[in-house]
Amino acid sequence: NFMLTQPHSVSESPGKTVTISCTRSSGSIASNYVQWYQQRPGSAPTTVIYEDNQRPSGVPDRFSGSIDSSSNSASLTISGLKTEDEADYYCQSYDSSIVVFGGGTKLTVL
Amino acid sequence: QVTLRESGPALVKPTQTLTLTCTFSGFSLSTSGMCVSWIRQPPGKALEWLALIDWDDDKYYSTSLKTRLTISKDTSKNQVVLTMTNMDPVDTATYYCARTTAAGNYYFDYWGQGTLVTVSS
Repeated sequence: NFMLTQPHSVSESPGKTVTISCTRSSGSIASNYVQWYQQRPGSAPTTVIYEDNQRPSGVPDRFSGSIDSSSNSASLTISGLKTEDEADYYCQSYDSSIVVFGGGTKLTVL
Repeated sequence: QVTLRESGPALVKPTQTLTLTCTFSGFSLSTSGMCVSWIRQPPGKALEWLALIDWDDDKYYSTSLKTRLTISKDTSKNQVVLTMTNMDPVDTATYYCARTTAAGNYYFDYWGQGTLVTVSS
C-alpha cells in the first residue's frame, strides 16, 4: 500500500491564501482520484473537494484542488481565509480497492 | 435525504469482540455503485479506513486489520455491521460509517456522527 503525507500544521492570516500538500509515496498521484475532507472539532468530516478538483454543492469557490504529477502530490488551496476555515484537513485516495487517508493537517487562521 | 447512524457499545474490555451497526436511510445498498465504509479516529489522531462493502456484497479490508475485521450487510434492514475481534486499548476511537460511491472513485459523501468506543478493563 502507499502512504499520503501531509504537513502536520499550517497557519495563515485571515484574507490570505494557504495551500496544503498531500504527497503519494508510491504509484502515480494521477492514477486515482484524491478527495479532501474538512473536520472541525467534535464533528464528522465533510467533503470540500472530490475527484481531485470538484467542489460539492455548498462549498465556496475559495476552496480548490489540484494534482501535480511532477511532485506526485495533490494540493488543497483555500483563498480569502476566514476564521471558520480553521479545522483539520485530510486528503484521501485509494488503489486496488484499498482506501488511504493522509495524516491530516491542522489549519490555524490567526 | 441521506443519513447514517452508528450504534454499539461505548465500552468494551480487552480481548472482547466489538460489534457496530450502521443504520442508514436515503439510499439503497442494492443500487449499483453504492457502498458503505467504516472509518475510525483515535482521540487526537488521524482518520483510518477500516472496511468497505459494496452493492454486490464484495468486501474490502484495511491490510493491517483484515485478520480482525468482518463487514456484512442486511439490505432489507438498511444496515451494515462491522465486527472487530480481540479488542485492545489502542482500538479506542470514534468509529464512523460513511456512504461510499464507487463510480470510478472511492469517495465518502455522507458520514454518520460517529460513536466513541473505549477499550478498557
